[in-house]
Amino acid sequence: SQQGEEDPQALSIQEGENATMNCSYKTSINNLQWYRQNSGRGLVHLILIRSNEREKHSGRLRVTLDTSKKSSSLLITASRAADTASYFCATDPNTGGFKTIFGAGTRLFVKA
Amino acid sequence: DGGITQSPKYLFRKEGQNVTLSCEQNLNHDAMYWYRQDPGQGLRLIYYSQIVNDFQKGDIAEGYSVSREKKESFPLTVTSAQKNPTAFYLCASSILPSGASGEQFFGPGTRLTVL
Repeated sequence: SQQGEEDPQALSIQEGENATMNCSYKTSINNLQWYRQNSGRGLVHLILIRSNEREKHSGRLRVTLDTSKKSSSLLITASRAADTASYFCATDPNTGGFKTIFGAGTRLFVKA
Repeated sequence: DGGITQSPKYLFRKEGQNVTLSCEQNLNHDAMYWYRQDPGQGLRLIYYSQIVNDFQKGDIAEGYSVSREKKESFPLTVTSAQKNPTAFYLCASSILPSGASGEQFFGPGTRLTVL
């Protein structure tokens, strides 16, 4: 089963609203990353949060990490039509291996 | 202009044929990865390489093969043994192997269709 699971699977909002996506995972991690994918394209790294961090900001993005609940959230404030994409969380498990595990993603649609 | 490139963008294969997908990076990254993405799904790891002349199987390596003869290049061959190869294939690289907090840089992908 996948390490990261995003919720919701799909989200549709109006331009200007905030979008919140959640990610849950199963094992201890070194860090958690969020990526964005436009349709038919490669993934673009958005932000990385380490296991000893609780919150991180980058522009209109805010990421939180709760290691006790094994969950993370990505908040996009003041969304724009250009934010329409799929968003994936990815975890680096703290198992001594070298694999990043991606979730199935949240598809965000921002209506102009 | 640094980056990671994949070719071709679209690839069509007849059943029973082997095909090779190209992945090149000029970022001087040690680690490289191949992922498969099916419609509406996340990424599944096929193979990864931490250093030249070394690579490891990921979660779905059956029916695929790779080589890492040069730091810049990590080609993926989809063999006839892969029963359901139609998918979107993504190559990525990172400065350090995953597990060492490495952000991954992705190529634009190759969409493979079996006719």
